[in-house]
Amino acid sequence: EVQLVESGGGLVQPGRSLRLSCTASGFTFGDYAMSWVRQAPGKGLEWVGFIRSKAYGGTTEYAASVKGRFTISRDDSKSIAYLQMNSLKTEDTAVYYCTRAGDSSGYYPHWGQGTLVTVSS
Amino acid sequence: AIRMTQSPSSFSASTGDRVTITCRASQGISSYLAWYQQKPGKAPKLLIYAASTLQSGVPSRFSGSGSGTDFTLTISCLQSEDFATYYCQQYYSYPLSTFGQGTKLEIK
Repeated sequence: EVQLVESGGGLVQPGRSLRLSCTASGFTFGDYAMSWVRQAPGKGLEWVGFIRSKAYGGTTEYAASVKGRFTISRDDSKSIAYLQMNSLKTEDTAVYYCTRAGDSSGYYPHWGQGTLVTVSS
Repeated sequence: AIRMTQSPSSFSASTGDRVTITCRASQGISSYLAWYQQKPGKAPKLLIYAASTLQSGVPSRFSGSGSGTDFTLTISCLQSEDFATYYCQQYYSYPLSTFGQGTKLEIK
């Protein structure tokens, strides 16, 4: 069974940094791309970014709203994906979900439980 | 970026009703569309992908249709557990993706 568990959320001041982790199990982590999706309180879902598997170069893509501030990385030996968030803004306050797409697809059958990031002074 | 617009944003219905939610893409996305159900405090759950393919384990009262720019999610006979918020997602621009703003389905 695929399991994704996010951690690292919390309260952080504007302008500061935070790193989220997504620990995966139940599948061969290194074979899959991983994505992050967020949801501001009472709002809809927003795609944040994506990292390809090493077989496809391990390269990343980001939403315009976070490009240049957020960085996604992966440690295949530990089955963990990371979301490094720098220069945080109040509008980054959200629940952050780690997701895995299905085979050769862009939809998300697999989601973590989410971790809440609150950016406030 | 491809924009996804759902309608209505919210509405009320009764158990047993047949309901339809629509999703429109700002440009053609073929059949690269998924539907999700989300309940408060929970992660979204995939219902349908490729516009009309039911995800394993999802009840057959859920169905999807459409291609190009216009899509629908239909629930044929509402059950109490179906009251939730529903989102469409385009993955035509994979790995980039966008979601609709959501449709909240409430009990009448």
